[in-house]
Amino acid sequence: TQLLEQSPQFLSIQEGENLTVYCNSSSVFSSLQWYRQEPGEGPVLLVTVVTGGEVKKLKRLTFQFGDARKDSSLHITAAQPGDTGLYLCAVTTGTASKLTFGTGTRLQVML
Amino acid sequence: GAVVSQHPSWVICKSGTSVKIECRSLDFQATTMFWYRQFPKQSLMLMATSNEGSKATYEQGVEKDKFLINHASLTLSTLTVTSAHPEDSSFYICSARRTGAYEQYFGPGTRLTVT
Repeated sequence: TQLLEQSPQFLSIQEGENLTVYCNSSSVFSSLQWYRQEPGEGPVLLVTVVTGGEVKKLKRLTFQFGDARKDSSLHITAAQPGDTGLYLCAVTTGTASKLTFGTGTRLQVML
Repeated sequence: GAVVSQHPSWVICKSGTSVKIECRSLDFQATTMFWYRQFPKQSLMLMATSNEGSKATYEQGVEKDKFLINHASLTLSTLTVTSAHPEDSSFYICSARRTGAYEQYFGPGTRLTVT
């Protein structure tokens, strides 16, 4: 079983539409990160959420950490083709601060 | 700041040969580096944690004799895929954590194709 399950796995939408990606777990985390990865590149950190219920905004992206710190969501408003990519949530586990990634959500935004 | 490079960006090798991939932190020192593997349309899977001056710690199911990791300096870690086979074909990504800090910074990845 995966520590972090993301949904949906794949999303194809038109430019201008809104969307929400979910990252769920049965475990509690001290913090959670969201990354975006474009084809052929490494992931890029978008945000880190730390406090239960925390909401962070990054332009058209809104990130929320669940009250119980078990889940998180990423909402994109008025999606643009440049938002296309693989969105990954991740948490730090273990004494070595290893990152464990979620299953990923592949977003395609079409003109 | 916090730039991580990988070399090569892509490599094609024949089955049975070995391939070395380098991961460098260009503008910071990294006591710890991580190596990940990513298959097409899948998420990243951690292979091993590389600590400067000590042996790497491998994740369950990762063969340490096949994936040799060396972290000889605070800015360089290498991953050598020994006796590569077609099933080793994948996208290998490294990350580096600045000494004393929390966040990891990722390299651009290396695409390995074994024919």
